[in-house]
Amino acid sequence: KNQVEQSPQSLIILEGKNCTLQCNYTVSPFSNLRWYKQDTGRGPVSLTIMTFSENTKSNGRYTATLDADTKQSSLHITASQLSDSASYICVVSRLSNDYKLSFGAGTTVTVRA
Amino acid sequence: GAGVSQSPRYKVAKRGQDVALRCDPISGHVSLFWYQQALGQGPEFLTYFQNEAQLDKSGLPSDRFFAERPEGSVSTLKIQRTQQEDSAVYLCASRALSGVGGSYEQYFGPGTRLTVT
Repeated sequence: KNQVEQSPQSLIILEGKNCTLQCNYTVSPFSNLRWYKQDTGRGPVSLTIMTFSENTKSNGRYTATLDADTKQSSLHITASQLSDSASYICVVSRLSNDYKLSFGAGTTVTVRA
Repeated sequence: GAGVSQSPRYKVAKRGQDVALRCDPISGHVSLFWYQQALGQGPEFLTYFQNEAQLDKSGLPSDRFFAERPEGSVSTLKIQRTQQEDSAVYLCASRALSGVGGSYEQYFGPGTRLTVT
């Protein structure tokens, strides 16, 4: 069973609008949580990384939140642009071997003009 | 500097053929990882090298999969007697030895899309 679940599977938004992606995880003990952006045909690129003690982290128009008690994270995209069209993947690592990343299946975001 | 590069970018193999996928990590990165990404899914861990030592190969799906990094830089993932279920994107990532707060970042290559017919 996948230890990182993401929702929704896909979504379509209009350019300029905001959206929020969800991630629930069961990985324990937890080390850190990352959000990656993966453009079609490319490798994933890191957007944010948060450790256990961090609640929020921003990178430009991307803001990630983390609730380590409920094991939930969200990624908020503000004022979406056409270039935001991509898959967004939630990735969690375990404290004992933090090199071994557990990936969610991703949320595919399509931004339309 | 240059990022992680992989070759070939696309590979079509007939079932039963052997394939070799190459990864050139970021210069100086000690750690190297291989992942398999099925269509519509997130990447799944295959194997991990620190320099030339393969420290974890628990994700390799069968003994048809073999990875090496003989000089601690370039790595090759070899798949013998390919099967249709091997069709996927194979991603390579590298990581520096040290990082801020111990959260060492992995940098991914563009991947090799393997299609087995």
